[in-house]
Amino acid sequence: DAGVIQSPRHEVTEMGQEVTLRCKPISGHDYLFWYRQTMMRGLELLIYFNNNVPIDDSGMPEDRFSAKMPNASFSTLKIQPSEPRDSAVYFCASRPGGNQPQHFGDGTRLSIL
Amino acid sequence: EDKVVQSPLSLVVHEGDTVTLNCSYEVTNFRSLLWYKQEKKAPTFLFMLTSSGIEKKSGRLSSILDKKELFSILNITATQTGDSAIYLCAVGFNTDKLIFGTGTRLQVFP
Repeated sequence: DAGVIQSPRHEVTEMGQEVTLRCKPISGHDYLFWYRQTMMRGLELLIYFNNNVPIDDSGMPEDRFSAKMPNASFSTLKIQPSEPRDSAVYFCASRPGGNQPQHFGDGTRLSIL
Repeated sequence: EDKVVQSPLSLVVHEGDTVTLNCSYEVTNFRSLLWYKQEKKAPTFLFMLTSSGIEKKSGRLSSILDKKELFSILNITATQTGDSAIYLCAVGFNTDKLIFGTGTRLQVFP
């Protein structure tokens, strides 16, 4: 089975530009999570979805961040406008229903200049 | 406030040594504790523990949970250079979320 697939792997862009990160969860997984990882703050949950519905977005830093899940096999995380402090590795993870472990994608390394 | 604390932050050992990584937590409505290994890319799942006193084992790695004292340990015996990684502890509680610790960076030298 394919794991969680994220794209792009790396993104370098200038401050003020719109950034879109993409995620394809493992087929059959009901839950999808977006995380951000930095040296200072570690791995932080931004938002998660259950059956394509956003359940908790309390970790989203501010209104510049938005996430969607239009169907069970695709989700996006968008930053507009981007700022240098958004530079981090962004991970997507998914899991089935029940008390099951999350499985992570390889992440997108984002650098905002 | 819910939190997960890992220790030590960093560990340097030689091949063949045995290491113990610690994870303590304070969360309401505990559901599970998970260990992940992170090398250069994605955290990869190692263990999920839900009951006290039951050891989970996979090769040279093992882990156990103490729900009374609110901690878990991850043991790695006969370490190899391939064990070098960041080991993350995460706790699931009454929602679907996980809280992650900051991790223990393990370096194993030949």
